[in-house]
Amino acid sequence: DTGVSQDPRHKITKRGQNVTFRCDPISEHNRLYWYRQTLGQGPEFLTYFQNEAQLEKSRLLSDRFSAERPKGSFSTLEIQRTEQGDSAMYLCASSLEDNYGYTFGSGTRLTVV
Amino acid sequence: GDSVTQMEGPVTLSEEAFLTINCTYTATGYPSLFWYVQYPGEGLQLLLKATKADDKGSNKGFEATYRKETTSFHLEKGSVQVSDSAVYFCAPFTGRRALTFGSGTRLQVQP
Repeated sequence: DTGVSQDPRHKITKRGQNVTFRCDPISEHNRLYWYRQTLGQGPEFLTYFQNEAQLEKSRLLSDRFSAERPKGSFSTLEIQRTEQGDSAMYLCASSLEDNYGYTFGSGTRLTVV
Repeated sequence: GDSVTQMEGPVTLSEEAFLTINCTYTATGYPSLFWYVQYPGEGLQLLLKATKADDKGSNKGFEATYRKETTSFHLEKGSVQVSDSAVYFCAPFTGRRALTFGSGTRLQVQP
């Protein structure tokens, strides 16, 4: 297992376009998390899944954002009608149990122009 | 909710200097405590953890001791290297929701 994979690593899009990011967690991990990180700040929680169930969404996750985890494996995060304020690093993490800590992917850097 | 206070950076040290990055937390119950490190352009990596009071987590020469009485989990290293330059995040976890991160502390080690 090569850890948590995120695709793409970088995405440049025009304002108003839709984008979708993918996260492949460590295969035996049942929990998957999405965070957003802007320059100089710590990661901000967006949402998390246990298996295929989305258990919590942050108030940061506006109705333009949607996340899915079909079949409890990979996850996608879609942003519709992107805005310049969406420019950030989007991090995915997975874990087996809470106290084991999270394994993070390298992130997808989104730039909205 | 859970929260964490870390010393503001950047912390600038010379190679082989002693490092302390302070972390105090607020959490209900008895949280597990984690330190994560983020190297430039990368995601976060788990550095060390402690799950109960007086536990000491250690990894790569870094140590932190879970102090329940002072709600602290300070990160220490006896002799830093240039390769330790990164941003360090302390995070408590009480089993609800997900990890909450502060702004982190940037460490710059000069040769």
